[in-house]
Amino acid sequence: DVKVTQSSRYLVKRTGEKVFLECVQDMDHENMFWYRQDPGLGLRLIYFSYDVKMKEKGDIPEGYSVSREKKERFSLILESASTNQTSMYLCASSHGLAGDYEQYFGPGTRLTVT
Amino acid sequence: AQSVTQLGSHVSVSEGALVLLRCNYSSSVPPYLFWYVQYPNQGLQLLLKYTTGATLVKGINGFEAEFKKSETSFHLTKPSAHMSDAAEYFCAVLTGANNLFFGTGTRLTVIP
Repeated sequence: DVKVTQSSRYLVKRTGEKVFLECVQDMDHENMFWYRQDPGLGLRLIYFSYDVKMKEKGDIPEGYSVSREKKERFSLILESASTNQTSMYLCASSHGLAGDYEQYFGPGTRLTVT
Repeated sequence: AQSVTQLGSHVSVSEGALVLLRCNYSSSVPPYLFWYVQYPNQGLQLLLKYTTGATLVKGINGFEAEFKKSETSFHLTKPSAHMSDAAEYFCAVLTGANNLFFGTGTRLTVIP
């Protein structure tokens, strides 16, 4: 089974702190994604990566950055956390092969910024 | 650009009743469509997907969806709801090379 793990299920941080959210997948997938999920808004794409050291902005990249130094690991960074970044963060990965577009999700990290 | 719209943020059904969750898509190319389910405090899990071929797609847990090009719809159905079906359901469409655009979700409540 594909497994996507996220470093924390729940996280509480203070305004202005630097926050790292880590995601690891064990299926040698090319693509990795970070979403935030908010009630009534569904999932919104923050950043994605098609390969090591490559990154692309999604729909809501402001206030976030990412790092992909190894194929299996994709990190989301909040340089200076703000209360409006309180949300559920979901990581996903996919093969990147033509015709195989299914994304596999981690369990999510619920981040609270106070 | 491709997108999906889910009609109804909350749907309640009685146990044993038909489940119908609505999704309409907008796409300038033949769409690849997905339904995902999210149980409380969990990530998303794929229920089913439509790529090409048969327009009636069967998924896990007794769910199915029918791709209707004339109606630009991809509604999710299950003949008989079970208490364990209570969850949030997301419709999604492939956009770009590998990205998915997700709808805003429908929370399904099953009444005993």
